Amino acid sequence: NAGVTQTPKFQVLKTGQSMTLQCAQDMNHNSMYWYRQDPGMGLRLIYYSASEGTTDKGEVPNGYNVSRLNKREFSLRLESAAPSQTSVYFCASSTGWDQPQHFGDGTRLSIL
Amino acid sequence: QKEVEQNSGPLSVPEGAIASLNCTYSDRGSQSFFWYRQYSGKSPELIMFIYSNGDKEDGRFTAQLNKASQYVSLLIRDSQPSDSATYLCAVNAGGTSYGKLTFGQGTILTVHP
Repeated sequence: NAGVTQTPKFQVLKTGQSMTLQCAQDMNHNSMYWYRQDPGMGLRLIYYSASEGTTDKGEVPNGYNVSRLNKREFSLRLESAAPSQTSVYFCASSTGWDQPQHFGDGTRLSIL
Repeated sequence: QKEVEQNSGPLSVPEGAIASLNCTYSDRGSQSFFWYRQYSGKSPELIMFIYSNGDKEDGRFTAQLNKASQYVSLLIRDSQPSDSATYLCAVNAGGTSYGKLTFGQGTILTVHP
């Protein structure tokens, strides 16, 4: 009964370091999403994957890359972390584009 | 720029009262509408979704949609202190926006005993 699982839950990076945030869902959903949530800015879409094998940019894609590894897994990579990328990152999934999205517990990322 | 607007609050209601949360959206072509609840430090949790004009009820929650006025609301009846949270309105414009949810800033609700 896991739903959407994100790892890690917390991470501190130094400016310029790289890392990959992992997301996996066990609900057989077709679509997956990455959001960031910042105080005063709300939730903003970074990238999404409509179905296995496809990815597309959201509202704030700069500085990020994604990989839809298979139907279950969708990873988000920061190639060269910047302090402006300090945020809480949420992964979500849904059965289709107009269906409700279900969120993971989030990754709290701090970049010094 | 597609926008979703919510009153940030805080909205304070007494226990047992009806809480009314409102949301307006700018894209007239929007097709699906969602309400999420988010407790401090937690992830958004789906409360309701609605696609058609009118009301949709689920327990103590009622979502209301008026596409002509570009307005969606969430009513919480018999409010409980456990309902105290931030409520996020999200809108999916559909079409070429495929699955892209636009979120409002959220309304902070406080239910006091």
